[in-house]
Amino acid sequence: EAGVAQSPRYKIIEKRQSVAFWCNPISGHATLYWYQQILGQGPKLLIQFQNNGVVDDSQLPKDRFSAERLKGVDSTLKIQPAKLEDSAVYLCASSLVGTSGGAGTGELFFGEGSRLTVL
Amino acid sequence: GESVGLHLPTLSVQEGDNSIINCAYSNSASDYFIWYKQESGKGPQFIIDIRSNMDKRQGQRVTVLLNKTVKHLSLQIAATQPGDSAVYFCAERDDKIIFGKGTRLHILP
Repeated sequence: EAGVAQSPRYKIIEKRQSVAFWCNPISGHATLYWYQQILGQGPKLLIQFQNNGVVDDSQLPKDRFSAERLKGVDSTLKIQPAKLEDSAVYLCASSLVGTSGGAGTGELFFGEGSRLTVL
Repeated sequence: GESVGLHLPTLSVQEGDNSIINCAYSNSASDYFIWYKQESGKGPQFIIDIRSNMDKRQGQRVTVLLNKTVKHLSLQIAATQPGDSAVYFCAERDDKIIFGKGTRLHILP
């Protein structure tokens, strides 16, 4: 079974430029997540989709970050304009079902991430 | 801020010994806890989970213990191997999954 695919693996941009990351989840997984992982820290949830609807985007800096999941499959995360503090690894994950409630699980399948460096 | 944290940022263990990685959480409403392993350059990988109505769960070479009284979670790895070198994150779920800061496990030859 193919895992979660992400691209690009690495991106270097200057501050105030824009960048976009792409994610293709595991086939059949309804829930898709974008996490930001700053060096030395645990992943922080930015946005969670259930099919093509947003479940949680409470920690997404909406003045500069946007994400979409068209047709409930692939997703893109965009940053515009980028700031120095956006330097991080952006992880995409997917799960068969959501994570809330008794039936949900915490088994998220992560991609290898997209490492962003903002200069 | 995050409510999940870890006692030690780095743990060094002799190969073959057992490893114990600890985690404290502060949200008493969390009903589900997970341990993830993250190797260098890779995304986190699910290891084991435990629901709040349990206090112990065993997997292959790993055991998770949950003490709700003191809001403490631990991951025990039996007979630690070089391949266990990684950063280990505990995570909790209230409404969403929140990761702690991580503990780096270093295996000594």
